[in-house]
Amino acid sequence: GESVGLHLPTLSVQEGDNSIINCAYSNSASDYFIWYKQESGKGPQFIIDIRSNMDKRQGQRVTVLLNKTVKHLSLQIAATQPGDSAVYFCAEKVNNNDMRFGAGTRLTVKP
Amino acid sequence: EAQVTQNPRYLITVTGKKLTVTCSQNMNHEYMSWYRQDPGLGLRQIYYSMNVEVTDKGDVPEGYKVSRKEKRNFPLILESPSPNQTSLYFCASSTWDDYGYTFGSGTRLTVV
Repeated sequence: GESVGLHLPTLSVQEGDNSIINCAYSNSASDYFIWYKQESGKGPQFIIDIRSNMDKRQGQRVTVLLNKTVKHLSLQIAATQPGDSAVYFCAEKVNNNDMRFGAGTRLTVKP
Repeated sequence: EAQVTQNPRYLITVTGKKLTVTCSQNMNHEYMSWYRQDPGLGLRQIYYSMNVEVTDKGDVPEGYKVSRKEKRNFPLILESPSPNQTSLYFCASSTWDDYGYTFGSGTRLTVV
């Protein structure tokens, strides 16, 4: 079946560096994607979204890139801070009612 | 404050003892959903509801029931819990045309 997956389960970066978290999806018909951040002991929190008619979208310190040719999604975090340490999920819209989530990447920021 | 509230946060129970996890949202959202989160598997949808009295199965509905009698509440019912339902559960809600879900803080369930 269709799936959303992540290339790396863990990522460790130095404070101040940029972070890149990757996600591969297999449903070529998906037209909407979201990145969520989940801090320890909390529920996932919406970060940024992107529609398939876009290649790039920027937020505050975050950028999402979408490459539909290779079905790849990435989240870039600029000047990573200790507060960015969390598990990051990508999710794709699979029908009108449902988002399917990847397994998550744990980002650790070293001081 | 706009939020999704789940209760309890932690629950340890025995096999076969019926339990209910409550979920309530104060944002007048039409859409509500339950997910379970297991290591390495991410979030998997159990049930969802598009509006009052409208519910449907997600990817892993076996062993669970839900109801949506009121717009704000969407309880998750385990009629006869088993150890394989030990997991972290999240309730989420959104407007009908918005996929940026608001999640609750989670319920960690252990079935022994």
